[in-house]
Amino acid sequence: QKEVEQDPGPLSVPEGAIVSLNCTYSNSAFQYFMWYRQYSRKGPELLMYTYSSGNKEDGRFTAQVDKSSKYISLFIRDSQPSDSATYLCAMSARRRDDKIIFGKGTRLHILP
Amino acid sequence: ETGVTQSPTHLIKTRGQQVTLRCSSQSGHNTVSWYQQALGQGPQFIFQYYREEENGRGNFPPRFSGLQFPNYSSELNVNALELDDSALYLCASSLGHRGDTGELFFGEGSRLTVL
Repeated sequence: QKEVEQDPGPLSVPEGAIVSLNCTYSNSAFQYFMWYRQYSRKGPELLMYTYSSGNKEDGRFTAQVDKSSKYISLFIRDSQPSDSATYLCAMSARRRDDKIIFGKGTRLHILP
Repeated sequence: ETGVTQSPTHLIKTRGQQVTLRCSSQSGHNTVSWYQQALGQGPQFIFQYYREEENGRGNFPPRFSGLQFPNYSSELNVNALELDDSALYLCASSLGHRGDTGELFFGEGSRLTVL
């Protein structure tokens, strides 16, 4: 079993829809849960992070972590064509910059 | 404030050759991490350098080696290239070492093709 599982998609949704992206993991030591966005031919950029369990909201984006189920989610409200990218879930045990384990990434297309 | 810059952006090598990839970290950052991203996969941690010393390594063989210089720039060296080494190599920098040191800032990567 891989440490982090993520459906690679692609996922196509109409503009304005709510997008739900998810990952599961197996390592109980993970404390930092992150979502990165990667545009084509670019490096990943951090969207949001959560320490331990709970929810975090930033504008149109909401991240949720359920450590009891080893399940994390990212919700995008009022999706825009500019949100089209690959979304990578990522986790680490010690620090946000240390030995990050990434999921495969989900390719998201927002249709105008 | 300049971001993370990597060179070269693209290169083609043949099996058995050696390659050196270079990275300049973001201004003020003293920690550099290298990741390998194969096509259709997430990045995989290779190693991290903090103040010129290796500070952790992922599951990569010894033919993957690195250096960090006093100005915190870094090199990734790969010897005896194999076809499976074809990937995007990402450098990322961050600040500090102890506690929660903040996020990684990634460069745009060096795309290596091994023929």
